Amino acid sequence: QVQLVESGGGVVQPGGSLRLSCAASGFTFSSHGMHWVRQAPGNGLEWVAFVRYDGSTKFYADSVEGRFTVSRDNSKNTMYLQMSSLRAEDTALYYCAKDVGAMMPWGQGTLVTVSS
Amino acid sequence: EIVMTQSPATLSVSPGERATLSCRASQSVSSNLAWYQQKPGQAPRLLIYGASTRATGIPARFSGSGSGTEFTLTISSLQSEDFAVYYCQHYNNWPPEWTFGQGTKVEV
Repeated sequence: QVQLVESGGGVVQPGGSLRLSCAASGFTFSSHGMHWVRQAPGNGLEWVAFVRYDGSTKFYADSVEGRFTVSRDNSKNTMYLQMSSLRAEDTALYYCAKDVGAMMPWGQGTLVTVSS
Repeated sequence: EIVMTQSPATLSVSPGERATLSCRASQSVSSNLAWYQQKPGQAPRLLIYGASTRATGIPARFSGSGSGTEFTLTISSLQSEDFAVYYCQHYNNWPPEWTFGQGTKVEV
């Protein structure tokens, strides 16, 4: 079955960096665009980034543009989110999701906490 | 930037009743509209895409309608497992835009 598993979350100080991973299985990873979406504690969903199936095109939310970089390694069926210059407002549960026009399925998320 | 506005913020209903959730776009999004369900401690799950097409495995009691700027998610007869938060989302690959509404909590 289609599965997405995020990892790499943790506690980081403001201004620090972190790299998240999203491991995919059960589908042809190299044929699908992929998204990162985050959810701050008690809040709604915020789209963060998208990478095209071949990694050639990437889009970012204004709130993370210039600080976050999305990438993928199709040989490893894995997508990444490199986050730098982290701020308190980046604290959230980060989900990855497969692009089907809409988003399906979603992983269970990895928690990033930015705090001193 | 397209803004998605959901109403109401909270909907109180009883099991077996019909629930109607609304989503409004600040400009036309055609039928590029999805609905997601999120239960506490779980990831969102796609219910509806293309404004009215149920995703695989979604029960028939969930239906979506609308186009342009006004959309509705209807749950015909609420089951206990349907109490959750529901999000609408506009999606478009070009120009790239993926925008969520703020959510509607369906509670007893």
